Amino acid sequence: SAVISQKPSRDICQRGTSLTIQCQVDSQVTMMFWYRQQPGQSLTLIATANQGSEATYESGFVIDKFPISRPNLTFSTLTVSNMSPEDSSIYLCSVGLLTDTQYFGPGTRLTVL
Amino acid sequence: KQEVTQIPAALSVPEGENLVLNCSFTDSAIYNLQWFRQDPGKGLTSLLLIQSSQREQTSGRLNASLDKSSGRSTLYIAASQPGDSATYLCAVRRENSGGSNYKLTFGKGTLLTVNP
Repeated sequence: SAVISQKPSRDICQRGTSLTIQCQVDSQVTMMFWYRQQPGQSLTLIATANQGSEATYESGFVIDKFPISRPNLTFSTLTVSNMSPEDSSIYLCSVGLLTDTQYFGPGTRLTVL
Repeated sequence: KQEVTQIPAALSVPEGENLVLNCSFTDSAIYNLQWFRQDPGKGLTSLLLIQSSQREQTSGRLNASLDKSSGRSTLYIAASQPGDSATYLCAVRRENSGGSNYKLTFGKGTLLTVNP
């Protein structure tokens, strides 16, 4: 299994500002994923973050809005830029292991005023 | 485009009852299906993973089945307890197409309440 931590656990931000969310894994993993869960909705994949290469974004998500870093095999950050109230969501980091099971972090609950 | 539907959206049962949660998906070309549990304000906890070649998986009081051809999965919870109260999410991963493809498509979940 994998133990994943995220910082911050929650935050309240003002419109127009940016927030960087950190994800730390207790083991080296090739692929890390960032998901968004909007209120009352299912989880949606934002992007896949591979170490040493540019993140791959899903349709509807762009790098300017959600820049991602992946400096090593245990860490990644997701920045939510120029925030609006529509960005209020839970953001979750996830990793996949050789067992095919995907593990999720505890999430970051973001509220944008 | 894969779509995952979970029925019912919410379920309330008395303690001790056996129950079934349903998940359906539109594209049967899946690699595996995973059931998760999400407690309020928390992340996801993996419960069971079923590979596309498998029919069912069991863990304790939980049993998940998969009928890939019909695009259905069920999660059976035996002798439910108040601690089982949570949202249960179903997610499918599509078949690899020449490379790694780990994207999970989620349903909206079933909110389960088990009353003492």
